[in-house]
Amino acid sequence: DAGITQSPRHKVTETGTPVTLRCHQTENHRYMYWYRQDPGHGLRLIHYSYGVKDTDKGEVSDGYSVSRSKTEDFLLTLESATSSQTSVYFCAISVGLAGVGFFGPGTRLTVL
Amino acid sequence: SQQGEEDPQALSIQEGENATMNCSYKTSINNLQWYRQNSGRGLVHLILIRSNEREKHSGRLRVTLDTSKKSSSLLITASRAADTASYFCATEEGETSGSRLTFGEGTQLTVNP
Repeated sequence: DAGITQSPRHKVTETGTPVTLRCHQTENHRYMYWYRQDPGHGLRLIHYSYGVKDTDKGEVSDGYSVSRSKTEDFLLTLESATSSQTSVYFCAISVGLAGVGFFGPGTRLTVL
Repeated sequence: SQQGEEDPQALSIQEGENATMNCSYKTSINNLQWYRQNSGRGLVHLILIRSNEREKHSGRLRVTLDTSKKSSSLLITASRAADTASYFCATEEGETSGSRLTFGEGTQLTVNP
């Protein structure tokens, strides 16, 4: 997994609660990404970061925020979780000039 | 909306047969990448083809790219049961490399022993 870890790996929470997912990389890559994967939709980009404190929105950013205070950590926060945010969340980094993606193992989030 | 769209959505073949998956995209790209995902796991990069390349090989994988038709295909030759997985195409676009990857919905390949 190219030194990418995600925590937690599984989480069950209730509607309206805040949730933070963590992505950690060990190789100081500049670009980091958060995707969600749902049946019938493939992977959709939520937010991405191109450096410390530099982030931008992806395709499905509503209801999510991110922060990157250190090169190695990229946090995804659901301020008030909703059932529609039940999904599998993947963190990824981009490597090399061509932007090859390396993915973490994923976090399965269930919002009841 | 998805940039890449794979076809077919699902493919079932016998071991030893070839598997072909297609991907179409909408906008200009820097490169196109194919990934594999085993059930319950993260995506693994398979092969990358740049926008100025037409064909690329890696082991039993062959990828073609037709930028005039905005399409790519992934061919897996002499398939094995272990090739059973979902396969995704992703386009890399933007002004700088690594800016963002946009994925299709994937093709679920089942290789029967």
